[in-house]
Amino acid sequence: GQQLNQSPQSMFIQEGEDVSMNCTSSSIFNTWLWYKQDPGEGPVLLIALYKAGELTSNGRLTAQFGITRKDSFLNISASIPSDVGIYFCAGPDVGGGSNYKLTFGKGTLLTVNP
Amino acid sequence: SQTIHQWPATLVQPVGSPLSLECTVEGTSNPNLYWYRQAAGRGLQLLFYSVGIGQISSEVPQNLSASRPQDRQFILSSKKLLLSDSGFYLCAWGNTDTQYFGPGTRLTVL
Repeated sequence: GQQLNQSPQSMFIQEGEDVSMNCTSSSIFNTWLWYKQDPGEGPVLLIALYKAGELTSNGRLTAQFGITRKDSFLNISASIPSDVGIYFCAGPDVGGGSNYKLTFGKGTLLTVNP
Repeated sequence: SQTIHQWPATLVQPVGSPLSLECTVEGTSNPNLYWYRQAAGRGLQLLFYSVGIGQISSEVPQNLSASRPQDRQFILSSKKLLLSDSGFYLCAWGNTDTQYFGPGTRLTVL
């Protein structure tokens, strides 16, 4: 099946710093999704990308759909303590009758030091 | 707007006891429904999904089962819990492109 390689696995940064994480795949995705999971809660959808090259912002968050359709990036500017959590990339499985499922990366654990 | 509910929020059960976790969705019709398990606060493992009432697809062989008795209700069950069933269980609803998660149930099996 499809796999998403998400990096880095974890990050420890100082408040105010910018953050960058990415997700890559050996196969093409038609949609890229970025979720954030706060400790003890369910993941929340942050940004959805539907077109190669698309750049979308949500407040201090910016995500890009790679032009090759095999990668995506999420940037957080001027981090604050509430940015702490696990960030997941995801994309819908394609082909083989499995188009109801998402493939998830293993997540990037972000810690922000005040 | 759509909302998704899960209960209970937390559960502590002895080994060998039965399990029933419930998920309901409001504000949408005929959603795809999903059960995930998350161990140690990291990766999401898809357990079951359903594209309609009574239609269940299992992703991982285990001692868990799922049922969808109504359009917007999804239940995760077990007849006898194992220690390895401990974890954070997440229900989600969605379509072909996107999924939206519930608040989760923290299950501890002792």
